[in-house]
Amino acid sequence: GAGVSQTPSNKVTEKGKYVELRCDPISGHTALYWYRQSLGQGPEFLIYFQGTGAADDSGLPNDRFFAVRPEGSVSTLKIQRTERGDSAMYLCASSPGLAGIQETQYFGPGTRLLVL
Amino acid sequence: AQKITQTQPGMFVQEKEAVTLDCTYDTSDQSYGLFWYKQPSSGEMIFLIYQGSYDEQNATEGRYSLNFQKARKSANLVISASQLGDSAMYFCAMREVYNKLIFGAGTRLAVHP
Repeated sequence: GAGVSQTPSNKVTEKGKYVELRCDPISGHTALYWYRQSLGQGPEFLIYFQGTGAADDSGLPNDRFFAVRPEGSVSTLKIQRTERGDSAMYLCASSPGLAGIQETQYFGPGTRLLVL
Repeated sequence: AQKITQTQPGMFVQEKEAVTLDCTYDTSDQSYGLFWYKQPSSGEMIFLIYQGSYDEQNATEGRYSLNFQKARKSANLVISASQLGDSAMYFCAMREVYNKLIFGAGTRLAVHP
């Protein structure tokens, strides 16, 4: 079946602009996660959705970052007033959401964001 | 605080040889899961193998096995019979009661013919 998809694959924007990054999870997966990966580092957690609600948003760096998942499927990560330091790979993952330590998260191909 | 440490920034291995990628972790929880992911240059994170803290046997998935030493808090990935397509970044990650994954900094593996 189809895996996690993310659009766009690349996004170039100017400092101060607003951007939206989209994630389409695996069909039937109720859990969805956003991570940010800076160059040469491992991914860092941003936010976790269970269904439509954000169950954990402790990783969002500041109030310029916001994410939604209005129908419990597709999610959009929104970044306002972008800064050069926001340049990174943004990764989305999904899992069945049955809970449990062993549940594997399946990642999408990511969106490479470059803020000029 | 939970932490994953991968001390090898880069590793080289000859094709068809085995290689071990190191991972140590720090947690105060008794229940946790350890994952290894592969990230090719395309950027997508590919799940390789999982080990639960209560699993008594080391996990294996094809050419991948996990050398789990709970007392030492290590979860090393062993890749047997390396192939050129194994060249990539490898990340160790941990998951506790809450759902987020904590990742290490990664190890870049280069397989030479």
